[in-house]
Amino acid sequence: EAQVTQNPRYLITVTGKKLTVTCSQNMNHEYMSWYRQDPGLGLRQIYYSMNVEVTDKGDVPEGYKVSRKEKRNFPLILESPSPNQTSLYFCASSLRGQGIYNEQFFGPGTRLTVL
Amino acid sequence: SQQGEEDPQALSIQEGENATMNCSYKTSINNLQWYRQNSGRGLVHLILIRSNEREKHSGRLRVTLDTSKKSSSLLITASRAADTASYFCATGGYNAGNMLTFGGGTRLMVKP
Repeated sequence: EAQVTQNPRYLITVTGKKLTVTCSQNMNHEYMSWYRQDPGLGLRQIYYSMNVEVTDKGDVPEGYKVSRKEKRNFPLILESPSPNQTSLYFCASSLRGQGIYNEQFFGPGTRLTVL
Repeated sequence: SQQGEEDPQALSIQEGENATMNCSYKTSINNLQWYRQNSGRGLVHLILIRSNEREKHSGRLRVTLDTSKKSSSLLITASRAADTASYFCATGGYNAGNMLTFGGGTRLMVKP
């Protein structure tokens, strides 16, 4: 089944403890992206990648890191999480490297709470 | 920054009625997309309309795009309780690099 998977789905952590949220897609998509969703603010793009080894900042990249060593994986790294990073996170992928020209496929989301 | 802004923020209708949601945006776009999100779950793509298109249909969905007014509308005809969800517009703009920018969404409730 074609899908985008994220792990973990739920995570409660404490300030400053490094964490990684994994994202994987099995559709051979070039474009992958991370969003966060907060009440009243909609979805905001954190980082995106047009292909392997190519990443770029979105609207709200501060406090996050990403890497794209393989086409299928696009992990989101929070080196020192803070409470303002408590949010619902979505990974998405799109067929072409220029992701804005195609529909995006979303993962199920990761609900992160930073205490 | 939010490129697209949906209106209304919330909409409540009876089953069988039509639901219309509007989206306005600020800069030139390549395309505009509509997504649906059931509570707390991942977004699902509904329809993509390109800047040189004016109207597009998919099943009970009808999307219009007016680039002169920088606005789009999503019409769901003969709504069902299962249509209850949040609906988001997203724009891919020429001046926004390769980012897709989402609006704040419209929460639609369809009462049986």
